[in-house]
Amino acid sequence: AQKITQTQPGMFVQEKEAVTLDCTYDTSDPSYGLFWYKQPSSGEMIFLIYQGSYDQQNATEGRYSLNFQKARKSANLVISASQLGDSAMYFCAMREVISSGSARQLTFGSGTQLTVLP
Amino acid sequence: DTAVSQTPKYLVTQMGNDKSIKCEQNLGHDTMYWYKQDSKKFLKIMFSYNNKELIINETVPNRFSPKSPDKAHLNLHINSLELGDSAVYFCASSQAIPSWEGPSSYEQYFGPGTRLTVT
Repeated sequence: AQKITQTQPGMFVQEKEAVTLDCTYDTSDPSYGLFWYKQPSSGEMIFLIYQGSYDQQNATEGRYSLNFQKARKSANLVISASQLGDSAMYFCAMREVISSGSARQLTFGSGTQLTVLP
Repeated sequence: DTAVSQTPKYLVTQMGNDKSIKCEQNLGHDTMYWYKQDSKKFLKIMFSYNNKELIINETVPNRFSPKSPDKAHLNLHINSLELGDSAVYFCASSQAIPSWEGPSSYEQYFGPGTRLTVT
């Protein structure tokens, strides 16, 4: 079973509008972290936002916010006031607390290609 | 200053060759990683490594081997390259997380990627 599922291969949004990118996850670990990364066409991976499983409030970082619904196991990324520069691939990822020490791996979803239209 | 660097950025080689990709981080992190991103953009962990342990993704062929001369470097060696090895390889690093600690916000910092093309 997929641990991280991103069901939207591609999304379009008009400039200045808000957009939500979906992410659902599957884990039996009560302690985990959720991350969103952005990959523009230039290829680098840029960290956007983090949500811990024990965090009471939804994470926010500037125009990025995370709609965390723990019971539904979803961690959707909301981008407000979209800009042309937001056009990129967006990846949701999860870090579980594994037993084998401090090298905590990230498991990535398949990504959502976001295109912002002028 | 570049946090995580990789060389080369592009690597074109023939099947059967042996090649290496170098990775260096100047963040003082204890943990480094190698990921493979395939043509469909799917990112998959290959290795996690810190001073104490190497964790290998069981799906990685043993033709791939990480080598760490010191904690700032984690190089990737690939023997007997195959066509299916063509991909973008990313190095990443993060702070080590104590085993007793729960989820951590320590994000992974990624290098710029190395595009490997096997012909």
